[in-house]
Amino acid sequence: AQSVTQPDIHITVSEGASLELRCNYSYGATPYLFWYVQSPGQGLQLLLKYFSGDTLVQGIKGFEAEFKRSQSSFNLRKPSVHWSDAAEYFCAVGEMKTSYDKVIFGPGTSLSVIP
Amino acid sequence: NAGVTQTPKFQVLKTGQSMTLQCAQDMNHNSMYWYRQDPGMGLRLIYYSASEGTTDKGEVPNGYNVSRLNKREFSLRLESAAPSQTSVYFCASSEPLGGSMFWGSYEQYFGPGTRLTVT
Repeated sequence: AQSVTQPDIHITVSEGASLELRCNYSYGATPYLFWYVQSPGQGLQLLLKYFSGDTLVQGIKGFEAEFKRSQSSFNLRKPSVHWSDAAEYFCAVGEMKTSYDKVIFGPGTSLSVIP
Repeated sequence: NAGVTQTPKFQVLKTGQSMTLQCAQDMNHNSMYWYRQDPGMGLRLIYYSASEGTTDKGEVPNGYNVSRLNKREFSLRLESAAPSQTSVYFCASSEPLGGSMFWGSYEQYFGPGTRLTVT
């Protein structure tokens, strides 16, 4: 069955430091992969997505993610974190279904940023 | 263009009470979804509507019903609320890229959520 794991429940980084959030998925075929961000009290916003092609994907707000099929991973990175990046981050995998769009979300990683 | 809107933002219910959560989108999307978000569990799909006139169960449908009123609106009803339904509820909508051949390959747009407490 499809699943998504995010090994880090909570991460704290200093402003200006680099960031990597981990995501591993379990899926038999080529997955559609997403990263969403949720600011406090808000809904989820798409940061980036991978469907096919170049395995390094650029997103909004300076984020990027790399799809590694051999490791079943889709880690999110940012070279220099800003205080406004403090939020909850969700990795998700989409599955082609005949009847609807199924997306499985990971449990999330909470990011705190120290000024 | 408001995107996806949800009402109410907050609600407190007593066990056994009923209520309806409203959701509307103005992006002309075919598909709409209701999720619940609980700590450490990510988002879990309650019900979805692939297109106007159709609804179907997701992962955790027990205790809920839905109505796809028209293409814009998708409501979620709790007939007899239970403390286990205390959660944050999100509505989302999407439009599959290229139609049904590409289910699962699109972006979902989320509303701001409804925080529900059942005492």
